Amino acid sequence: EVQLVQSGAEVKKPGESLKISCKGSGYSFTSYWIGWVRQMPGKGLEWMGIIYPGDSDTRYSPSFQGQVTISADKSISTAYLQWSSLKASDTAMYYCARRFSGSYLNWGQGTLVTVSS
Amino acid sequence: QTVVTQEPSLTVSPGGTVTLTCASSTGAVTSGYYPNWFQQKPGQAPRALIYSTSNKHSWTPARFSGSLLGGKAALTLSGVQPEDEAEYYCLLYYGGAYVFGTGTKVTVL
Repeated sequence: EVQLVQSGAEVKKPGESLKISCKGSGYSFTSYWIGWVRQMPGKGLEWMGIIYPGDSDTRYSPSFQGQVTISADKSISTAYLQWSSLKASDTAMYYCARRFSGSYLNWGQGTLVTVSS
Repeated sequence: QTVVTQEPSLTVSPGGTVTLTCASSTGAVTSGYYPNWFQQKPGQAPRALIYSTSNKHSWTPARFSGSLLGGKAALTLSGVQPEDEAEYYCLLYYGGAYVFGTGTKVTVL
């Protein structure tokens, strides 16, 4: 069974750094792109970027380029989303999703990030 | 900045039919945008329904169908059930990057 398991909820202060994770299992982790999606409270889905764990090829939405870093460690089948300096506006639910045959087929359960002083 | 626009909300009666659309600020949506559709219920992660315009997943109910309509991607729900009440999002491909639509809240009343 394909599963994406994300790290737990985080509460951080503005200016702090953060790295959240998404661990894949039940499939060949290096063979499928993994994307990250933001959902701010009460708002819609926003596509942030995507990584191919096989060679770490990464693409970003222009809206998120330079704001976050997407990476992957294929030795432990885990993708990451990180911030170097959080802002209150980064408060959101973040989802990872596996791309398969033109679809974002499998989704993680989401990681809630709260940034508040 | 590319914007993908959907109807903010639609209301449909049980057993009725409703069509949601997905428009791109760059022009007509074609199969080359590989339109995807997702359903999201409160407190849940999105669930994939349709990919590459009209292809269904094994779990996608037969009453859901995807198409291209008048320069937009479209999702039609026929014989709507109460459990179809949810937020629906389209997703379009722009050569290496993707953009989600603004979302449509479907109410079954």
